[in-house]
Amino acid sequence: EDQVTQSPEALRLQEGESSSLNCSYTVSGLRGLFWYRQDPGKGPEFLFTLYSAGEEKEKERLKATLTKKESFLHITAPKPEDSATYLCAVQARGGKLIFGQGTELSVKP
Amino acid sequence: DTAVSQTPKYLVTQMGNDKSIKCEQNLGHDTMYWYKQDSKKFLKIMFSYNNKELIINETVPNRFSPKSPDKAHLNLHINSLELGDSAVYFCASSLKMTGAGEQYFGPGTRLTVT
Repeated sequence: EDQVTQSPEALRLQEGESSSLNCSYTVSGLRGLFWYRQDPGKGPEFLFTLYSAGEEKEKERLKATLTKKESFLHITAPKPEDSATYLCAVQARGGKLIFGQGTELSVKP
Repeated sequence: DTAVSQTPKYLVTQMGNDKSIKCEQNLGHDTMYWYKQDSKKFLKIMFSYNNKELIINETVPNRFSPKSPDKAHLNLHINSLELGDSAVYFCASSLKMTGAGEQYFGPGTRLTVT
């Protein structure tokens, strides 16, 4: 069965304290792995697409990487405005997205 | 301009009632989706439409019926509401079915069934 698991469920950081979020997946016929950001009371916002192992994408303080079994979202020197829930999703056969449960990130000043 | 809009934002109703949620996108996308996000934040796809044609229909009770009058609109009608239907419902769109991982989400409709 296709599955996405994210860890940790919640992460508290001090401003400037770098860390990583993990997304492990099992899917037959991976057609892409996607990271989204969700702020409270809002819909998810697309961040990155990764298609093949070894691929990396960067945006401001965020960098996403992909291996054959997992993806990491690295956050370098985070700021309070980076606080949000980060969702990982894989696209399986048939085109549907399967989401993980998310990592709730809190960055304190 | 709002890219994907949903109405209403909040919906409080009693068990057994019938309600609808409307969604519109002005991005010119071909594909639209309905998702349900439960209290544990799990986001699960319910339906997807491509150019008004139903493409994905997950194991959703028959009480849920989507309708796409044109490719810019995808509405969700729910009959005989149950307590377990309480959740946040998100509409989303993507340019096409291929490359469908980059989706644009609406602000969500929080449905509370009492």
